[in-house]
Amino acid sequence: RKEVEQDPGPFNVPEGATVAFNCTYSNSASQSFFWYRQDCRKEPKLLMSVYSSGNEDGRFTAQLNRASQYISLLIRDSKLSDSATYLCVVIPYNFNKFYFGSGTKLNVKP
Amino acid sequence: DTAVSQTPKYLVTQMGNDKSIKCEQNLGHDTMYWYKQDSKKFLKIMFSYNNKELIINETVPNRFSPKSPDKAHLNLHINSLELGDSAVYFCASSQDIGPYQAFFGQGTRLTVV
Repeated sequence: RKEVEQDPGPFNVPEGATVAFNCTYSNSASQSFFWYRQDCRKEPKLLMSVYSSGNEDGRFTAQLNRASQYISLLIRDSKLSDSATYLCVVIPYNFNKFYFGSGTKLNVKP
Repeated sequence: DTAVSQTPKYLVTQMGNDKSIKCEQNLGHDTMYWYKQDSKKFLKIMFSYNNKELIINETVPNRFSPKSPDKAHLNLHINSLELGDSAVYFCASSQDIGPYQAFFGQGTRLTVV
């Protein structure tokens, strides 16, 4: 079983829509979680960290559910510029590496 | 100023050749990484160095040899290149081992023909 699993999508949504992605992880002792964004043929860049209590940054909300071992990303009022691949990242308790999901592709259409 | 820079950006080479990719970070970070992203876009860690010391060596063929001359540099040398080595290789750095974000270089797109 992979350490981190994501639905590859693509999610095709109209501008202004709300869209949510989930990401499941297998190691219950995982400590830290992030969402990264990767544009086509570019490097991954941090979108936001995921805190236990959940956190929000503008139109983006990240949640952690430790009991069910998943993290989620909610994007409200989608913009064309949100089109990208969203990667979830999990760091295990010994902090020695980043485990990336394979990414969920989002296409926001006019 | 680019935080994490890697060269070259594109590399096309024949099977059997030996090639190197260089990476430098100017963020003062202690930890650096090499990741491989295959055609299915899956990012997989290859190596991790902390203060010039190797701390992670995933199941990577020994044709791949990293070298960290100082904590700001982490190079990747690949011997006897194979078709299956074609991928995008990303260098990254983070402040230290721990729950710190990773900053990525722009990637090196390696094509073995």
